[in-house]
Amino acid sequence: DSGVTQTPKHLITATGQRVTLRCSPRSGDLSVYWYQQSLDQGLQFLIQYYNGEERAKGNILERFSAQQFPDLHSELNLSSLELGDSALYFCASSGGRLAGSEQFFGPGTRLTVL
Amino acid sequence: QKEVEQDPGPLSVPEGAIVSLNCTYSNSAFQYFMWYRQYSRKGPELLMYTYSSGNKEDGRFTAQVDKSSKYISLFIRDSQPSDSATYLCAMSIKTSYDKVIFGPGTSLSVIP
Repeated sequence: DSGVTQTPKHLITATGQRVTLRCSPRSGDLSVYWYQQSLDQGLQFLIQYYNGEERAKGNILERFSAQQFPDLHSELNLSSLELGDSALYFCASSGGRLAGSEQFFGPGTRLTVL
Repeated sequence: QKEVEQDPGPLSVPEGAIVSLNCTYSNSAFQYFMWYRQYSRKGPELLMYTYSSGNKEDGRFTAQVDKSSKYISLFIRDSQPSDSATYLCAMSIKTSYDKVIFGPGTSLSVIP
């Protein structure tokens, strides 16, 4: 158990809908990262937050947004969902603000868009 | 050319074998190198974290980094069926706005 929690574990929704994925980092970790993993794309970095502020952006679509709250939990919002958004979404956390710090991953949320 | 390349396998070995997993990369600025193990449909688990060139050993696992060749390896000694998983290499520059780049992963099966 990495100490990172994610909810929900599974999410099934329809195209055009909006969903919110939630992540709680390890106790004491200030950085939260979001990743998307699909069969054909591998693990893709989406965005990083450090202590409430956006720190780095990766291949995140404009339909996706995230935030980190004062209690350090983070939410990833996915809107206008498309079939191609079906994937595993992972959250990771680290103690440092630099992306190269050791990252600990949560169990993931499996999103299925029908 | 992708920044990080990794043979996707699948790699199948008998129990007790020594396993060698490798990654090559193109960006000579990478300084921090990691190996993650990912069981099916689970989150990646950090196995090894190394800085710059050299070796690092942890139990049955040894990580090697050869920056001159832009090549990193993970060796697993006395492989066990529980080692069956996908192994992801990852690397970063660790500057203020850098991100970790993951390889596509190698699928390993250890046959009892």
